[in-house]
Amino acid sequence: AQSVAQPEDQVNVAEGNPLTVKCTYSVSGNPYLFWYVQYPNRGLQFLLKYITGDNLVKGSYGFEAEFNKSQTSFHLKKPSALVSDSALYFCAVRPIRLSGGYNKLIFGAGTRLAVHP
Amino acid sequence: DADVTQTPRNRITKTGKRIMLECSQTKGHDRMYWYRQDPGLGLRLIYYSFDVKDINKGEISDGYSVSRQAQAKFSLSLESAIPNQTALYFCATSDRTSASVAQYFGPGTRLTVL
Repeated sequence: AQSVAQPEDQVNVAEGNPLTVKCTYSVSGNPYLFWYVQYPNRGLQFLLKYITGDNLVKGSYGFEAEFNKSQTSFHLKKPSALVSDSALYFCAVRPIRLSGGYNKLIFGAGTRLAVHP
Repeated sequence: DADVTQTPRNRITKTGKRIMLECSQTKGHDRMYWYRQDPGLGLRLIYYSFDVKDINKGEISDGYSVSRQAQAKFSLSLESAIPNQTALYFCATSDRTSASVAQYFGPGTRLTVL
């Protein structure tokens, strides 16, 4: 079965320190990879995506993510965390089917990031 | 995202009641989706629609129905609500040009079924 794993329910980071939110996936082929962020009482907001090319992709709010094909991972990173980064982060994967048809997004369970002053 | 609106934002109802959640978008996207979010489970797809005449079941469609009244409107109905349908419901849209495009989400509807 195709799946996305976010192994940490919560990540705690001090403000100014680097942060990493982990994501691994199990899908066939070369999927498209996404990160979304959910602030309290808000819908999910798109942060960044990996389609092809450079393994390090940059997105909104200073976030970046590193794609590692051999480890089937797509970890979200930021060099210096802000208190305002505290939110729920979702990794999502879209398998690509060469035969066509709709390829739904598969979401991880989410990781809550808490950045402390 | 203000381009995707959902009503109501919160709803408390009783078992057996019929409930409709509404979604409207001004992004001009062809594709619309309904998801539910449960703690520890992420988002799961209920229904999706590629245009007004194209509606498809997602992974957890049992107990739900949808209506695509126009390109901009996509409603989700619970014909007879049950407590395990208590969840946060999100509508999303995307452009049909490519599978690599992101989806844009509404603010969500928190539904509680007593």
